[in-house]
Amino acid sequence: QVQLVQPGAAVARPGASVKVSCEASGYTFGTYTLHWVRQVPGQGLEWMGWINAGSGDTKYAQRFQDRVTLSRDTSASTGYMELSSLRSEDTAVYFCARKNVGYVFDIWGQGTMVTVSS
Amino acid sequence: QSALTQPASVSGSPGQSITISCTGTSSDIGKSNLVSWYQQYPGKAPQLIIFEVTKRPSGVSNRFSGSKSGHTASLTISGLQVEDEASFYCCSYAGSMTVIFGGGTKLTVL
Repeated sequence: QVQLVQPGAAVARPGASVKVSCEASGYTFGTYTLHWVRQVPGQGLEWMGWINAGSGDTKYAQRFQDRVTLSRDTSASTGYMELSSLRSEDTAVYFCARKNVGYVFDIWGQGTMVTVSS
Repeated sequence: QSALTQPASVSGSPGQSITISCTGTSSDIGKSNLVSWYQQYPGKAPQLIIFEVTKRPSGVSNRFSGSKSGHTASLTISGLQVEDEASFYCCSYAGSMTVIFGGGTKLTVL
């Protein structure tokens, strides 16, 4: 079955970095682009960027450009999102999603709750 | 770039129809038919219900339909059911390989 699996939660200190994983199964990892979307508690969805799982090419939303790094390990069929210089406002659920034809997000991970706290 | 504009909340009674609007600009919704809609239950990941403005993925009820006029896309849910109560998000391609979401609409089925 096609799925994306993420860890349930992560905790990080203000000013530090956090790296969230997204393991794909049930499809050929390298033939799709993986997008990352975050959701601050009680708020809407916010697009962060994407990585082409085959080529490794990336594109970031302007507001995260300086702080986010997307990477992937094709041997492990896993994508990663690293966010640096964390602040309390980065406390949110971070989702990975597979992009299908036409900018359609057809498969989503269950989300990772990242808590930024000292 | 600001989020696409959606009403914060809508409500309806079982059996009724409701429509959720999603307003963008000439740089996103007005530029292409790459508009999709997602339904999200509390504590869950979003699920695709409409793509390319009007298309439904396999398994999604035909009570859900989408349309677009100019810079505004719309999602209509007919024959409202209690289980439709959730949040709904529109999403559009915004050029230069970027994406933008709407602020979300909470649907209450009274």
